[in-house]
Amino acid sequence: DGGITQSPKYLFRKEGQNVTLSCEQNLNHDAMYWYRQDPGQGLRLIYYSQIVNDFQKGDIAEGYSVSREKKESFPLTVTSAQKNPTAFYLCASNDGEAFFGQGTRLTVV
Amino acid sequence: GEDVEQSLFLSVREGDSSVINCTYTDSSSTYLYWYKQEPGAGLQLLTYIFSNMDMKQDQRLTVLLNKKDKHLSLRIADTQTGDSAIYFCAVKTGGYQKVTFGTGTKLQVIP
Repeated sequence: DGGITQSPKYLFRKEGQNVTLSCEQNLNHDAMYWYRQDPGQGLRLIYYSQIVNDFQKGDIAEGYSVSREKKESFPLTVTSAQKNPTAFYLCASNDGEAFFGQGTRLTVV
Repeated sequence: GEDVEQSLFLSVREGDSSVINCTYTDSSSTYLYWYKQEPGAGLQLLTYIFSNMDMKQDQRLTVLLNKKDKHLSLRIADTQTGDSAIYFCAVKTGGYQKVTFGTGTKLQVIP
């Protein structure tokens, strides 16, 4: 089955730690995206990538980093510089139709 | 950059039609999407429309696009309690393939 897989579903991070969220797709899509969703709010774009080895900052990139070494994978690292990382993170890929993973809920403890 | 606006809340009675509205600012938008999000879940793509179309119908869903006014709507016919969710409008802009989302409209269906 084609789709997007995010892991883990739930993630807990201690303050001051970096943590990496995984996103894998087997849809052969060139474009991939990371969004953040806070309770009761819409989606805000963190980073996006049009093609392997290329990515662009979205609207709230500070405190985050990404890599795109393979077409299938677009991991997001939440660094200790992100002051308020607790949120629901959604990954998407797009080739005309845009599909989402099921999300990772990150909580800082 | 692109701004996408939606009203926050809509309440309808079961069996009535729901109309969720969305406005956007960038006239170079290419694809326009509607997504559904149920509590604690990811986003489910409901339907999308190309910018050169005025209307698209898919079973109970009808999407209308007014490019002149930069207005997109989603009509759900015969709304059911299972349609209760948050609905997001999203717009894909230009060659950079940036997809911008609205704030979401929470649809409440009253039995």
